Amino acid sequence: GQQLNQSPQSMFIQEGEDVSMNCTSSSIFNTWLWYKQDPGEGPVLLIALYKAGELTSNGRLTAQFGITRKDSFLNISASIPSDVGIYFCAGHNQNRDDKIIFGKGTRLHILP
Amino acid sequence: GAGVSQSPSNKVTEKGKDVELRCDPISGHTALYWYRQSLGQGLEFLIYFQGNSAPDKSGLPSDRFSAERTGGSVSTLTIQRTQQEDSAVYLCASSLGVGGANVLTFGAGSRLTVL
Repeated sequence: GQQLNQSPQSMFIQEGEDVSMNCTSSSIFNTWLWYKQDPGEGPVLLIALYKAGELTSNGRLTAQFGITRKDSFLNISASIPSDVGIYFCAGHNQNRDDKIIFGKGTRLHILP
Repeated sequence: GAGVSQSPSNKVTEKGKDVELRCDPISGHTALYWYRQSLGQGLEFLIYFQGNSAPDKSGLPSDRFSAERTGGSVSTLTIQRTQQEDSAVYLCASSLGVGGANVLTFGAGSRLTVL
């Protein structure tokens, strides 16, 4: 079945540092999504990417849809305490089915 | 309502009992998805509905799991004869339509603990 490999599994960084995480797939997607989950809540959409090569920013967040359509990355610049949480990538291929498949998440910790 | 509402928020049950988890999607959202999040794991796709119809049930872990949606609105996920490995957070999400172009809005989840 479809698999999304997300890395790293967890990150420990200092406030102010930049963060980078990525997601790869064994199959092609034509939509890549990045979500964030705070403790005790459901995931919330951060960025959606619909075109290979697309680079999109949302404040301090930047995400790219890989040219091969099998990968995507998310960067967070100048991290702040409220960035703590779990970040999920998700992919969809409407030519295959209507499932939206999620990675296992990257847990971000910010050291005091 | 303004968001996706799930109930109960927490459920503790004994092994072998049946449980029902409910999801109230955002009004007007035709698509509804169920995911399972086990401790330290990602979101495992279970099933989705387009209206009242579930085109793909392949994500359901076993025949103890079933889901239905009525009136194009409320959905219920039922787990029969619960096992300890069923312990997880069950998340529901809705969107205007199916597919990645439609933003999924998630509920806060139902945390199930099977003793």
